[in-house]
Order: sequence, then structure tokens, then C-alpha cells
Amino acid sequence: GDSVTQMEGPVTLSEEAFLTINCTYTATGYPSLFWYVQYPGEGLQLLLKATKADDKGSNKGFEATYRKETTSFHLEKGSVQVSDSAVYFCALSEVMKTSYDKVIFGPGTSLSVIP
Amino acid sequence: DVKVTQSSRYLVKRTGEKVFLECVQDMDHENMFWYRQDPGLGLRLIYFSYDVKMKEKGDIPEGYSVSREKKERFSLILESASTNQTSMYLCASSEAGSVGYNEQFFGPGTRLTVL
Repeated sequence: GDSVTQMEGPVTLSEEAFLTINCTYTATGYPSLFWYVQYPGEGLQLLLKATKADDKGSNKGFEATYRKETTSFHLEKGSVQVSDSAVYFCALSEVMKTSYDKVIFGPGTSLSVIP
Repeated sequence: DVKVTQSSRYLVKRTGEKVFLECVQDMDHENMFWYRQDPGLGLRLIYFSYDVKMKEKGDIPEGYSVSREKKERFSLILESASTNQTSMYLCASSEAGSVGYNEQFFGPGTRLTVL
């Protein structure tokens, strides 16, 4: 079945450092790809998404490009802040045999940004 | 501000007890979901519902059941709690249609400990 792989971390960076969190996926079809973020004590929230190859999702200074040739959707930010400390989940949508799709999540990557 | 609320943030139960986890959304969403979140495993779908009284099994439904009597409320039931059900439980909702396009909104989670 479809799956998502991402480094689990924890990743620790200094403020203003460049961030990359790698995400690769396996899918039989053409899934949509997502990054969700979970701040301490909160539920997940959508950070960005891309629905087709070569699309770039962006939000709050974060970017990710849907690369079909490398089956990747790496998350990047040019300059992280302490407030970016959170757990980041890469995910894809899987088209099920029924009419209803589902979202498959990676294991999550914990990011700590220190001043 | 859109909201998904869960009845408890922390819950401690004993083995064999029947446990109810409640989730309410105020966005008039058709789809509702229950996930469990475990370290290194990401989120795994337990059940979802696409309409009142309608439900579909997710990846790990064993030991769980659900109830959706009203559109805004989706309950997860552990018929006889076991220690391997100790986990973080997350509820989510989304508009009707494909989760490949429609954002899921998450509650803050319930951390359940079964002794």
C-alpha cells in the first residue's frame, strides 16, 4: 500500500538556521501531498499542500515542492524561529477502492529551535 | 474560529473498563475521523464517518467501535480497554468530498492511559 517516510529526529537548530525535513512517499496513483504541524499541546493543523506534480505549497515561510520523479516532498524554511518548534508530519492522500479517500501520515519529525 | 473539541485532555482507566471518547465539531462538516498517535508510528486511522449513522473501518479498528448519532458529534468507544490501547487519540473533521483536497481540522487530543 501507499506509505510515507520521513526522518524522525529530533532535529535541533539555532534560530535563523536553514531547515530541511526530508519526506519521500510510495504511491500507486497520483496522491495529494501535505505537511501538517503539531505545536506542543495542540492538535495537528495543515501547514501546506500540493495536489499535482511540480506544484509548490507555501505558508508561513515554509515551502515544499511535489517531485514526482523522486517521489519526494521535502519541507524547507530559510530562517527558522523559536516559534517553529513543533512536530512536522508529511502525509499523502490515498484513493481507496471505496468512494472515500484517506490520509496516510508519516511518523513525524520533532523540531526544536534554540535561541 | 473553527473548532474541534474533545471531551478530555487526559484520561486514566483500568483494564476491562468501557471507555467513551467524545468529539464535537462546529463547522457543519460531513466527514469525521478518529486516529491514534503513537511515537514512531505517526497517526493511524481507526474509523471515519462520512455522514450521520454512517461509518467505515480504518486501518486499526479492532477493539474499537464508533457512534455518530448527530452530525456534529463522533464518539469512539473502547468496549473493554486494554493496556495496548494506551495512546493519544485525535479526532478530526473535514468537508464532504475527497480528503485529498479538503483540509482536516484536528482536536487537541485525548491522552488515554489504561492501567
